Amino acid sequence: AQKITQTQPGMFVQEKEAVTLDCTYDTSDPSYGLFWYKQPSSGEMIFLIYQGSYDQQNATEGRYSLNFQKARKSANLVISASQLGDSAMYFCAMREGRGSGGYQKVTFGTGTKLQVIP
Amino acid sequence: EPEVTQTPSHQVTQMGQEVILRCVPISNHLYFYWYRQILGQKVEFLVSFYNNEISEKSEIFDDQFSVERPDGSNFTLKIRSTKLEDSAMYFCASVGNEQFFGPGTRLTVL
Repeated sequence: AQKITQTQPGMFVQEKEAVTLDCTYDTSDPSYGLFWYKQPSSGEMIFLIYQGSYDQQNATEGRYSLNFQKARKSANLVISASQLGDSAMYFCAMREGRGSGGYQKVTFGTGTKLQVIP
Repeated sequence: EPEVTQTPSHQVTQMGQEVILRCVPISNHLYFYWYRQILGQKVEFLVSFYNNEISEKSEIFDDQFSVERPDGSNFTLKIRSTKLEDSAMYFCASVGNEQFFGPGTRLTVL
């Protein structure tokens, strides 16, 4: 089974509108963390936002917020007031628990390509 | 803001040659990772490194790959005999409360 599922291979959004990128995850570990990264066409991986499984509130970072629904195992990224520079690939990722060797690896979804239309 | 750096940004090599990819993680982080991303595909975990030893590795990380932290700051990934299918973007990451990636090294094997 896929640990991270991103069902939207591509999305379009009008500039200044909000957009939600979907992510569902699968884990039996009670301790995990969820990440969103942005990868522009230049290729670098840019950290956007993090949500821990025990965090009581949804994470927010500027125009980014994470709609964390634990019971549904979803961690959707909401980008408010989209800008042209938001056009990029967006990856959802999960880190499960903490093993003897430190934090467990992060597993990535297949990504959603977001295009912001002027 | 602290950042992870990687060198070189782009490496072109002939099949069968050895390459060393270098990373300088964030100084107070203790956990380090290498990932790779074949063009157009998702990011894949290669190896994690903690306390100067490998803590976990994927099936991709065979005996052609090795990692080390030779001087307490640099963190290197060595591919002993590169294959065409090693062409990819290689990301180093270091972990505190969040995981920060370096900008990546694009490896092209000809």
